[in-house]
Amino acid sequence: EVQLVESGGGLVQPGGSLRLSCAASGFTFSNYWMNWVRQAPGKGLVWVSRINSDGSSINYADSVKGRFTISRDNAKNTLYLQMNSLRAEDTAVYYCVRVGALPFDCWGQGTLVTVSS
Amino acid sequence: DIVMTQSPDSLAVSLGERATINCKSSQSVLYDSNNKNYLAWYQQKPGQPPKLLIYWASTRESGVPDRFSGSGSGTDFTLTISSLQAEDVAIYYCQQYYNWYTFGQGTKLEIK
Repeated sequence: EVQLVESGGGLVQPGGSLRLSCAASGFTFSNYWMNWVRQAPGKGLVWVSRINSDGSSINYADSVKGRFTISRDNAKNTLYLQMNSLRAEDTAVYYCVRVGALPFDCWGQGTLVTVSS
Repeated sequence: DIVMTQSPDSLAVSLGERATINCKSSQSVLYDSNNKNYLAWYQQKPGQPPKLLIYWASTRESGVPDRFSGSGSGTDFTLTISSLQAEDVAIYYCQQYYNWYTFGQGTKLEIK
């Protein structure tokens, strides 16, 4: 069964840092581009970042550029998102999402990040 | 950035009736070289992640009931549910993947 499981979310103060992880199973992780998508409470979906299959190509939404870093460890089948200088507007559920021949065909259950003092 | 605008924001339809959701992109998402529209539809039920329903504007993902269909080209697209079932209550999002990824604001579908 194809599965993505996010972890690492929680409550953090403004200006703080957090690292999210996404453990992949049931497919050949190293063959797929991976993304992070977030959803603020009661709001819509916003793409955050993507990384290609070997980690050599990375892109970010303007809203997180310079503060967030996406990375992956294909030996551990794990995707990461290092989030620094967090702001209240970063509060959201963060989803790990697979992209292959089909767009966004597999989503994790998400992990909630709350930025508040 | 390509802006995706859905209409309506919310919709109430009787069981067994047709539901139609529209999506308009600020620029064409039709790639001339392969004649494919880089447009997808997702369904999100409460407390769950989104689920891919339709890609290339009109291709149903495996396992998606055939009451769901997608149509349109260029900048104007439609998701149609031919006969609404109770389990179709959800928020529906369109997404373009022509130039990065952007989503519509979502359409909340309820039972009348």
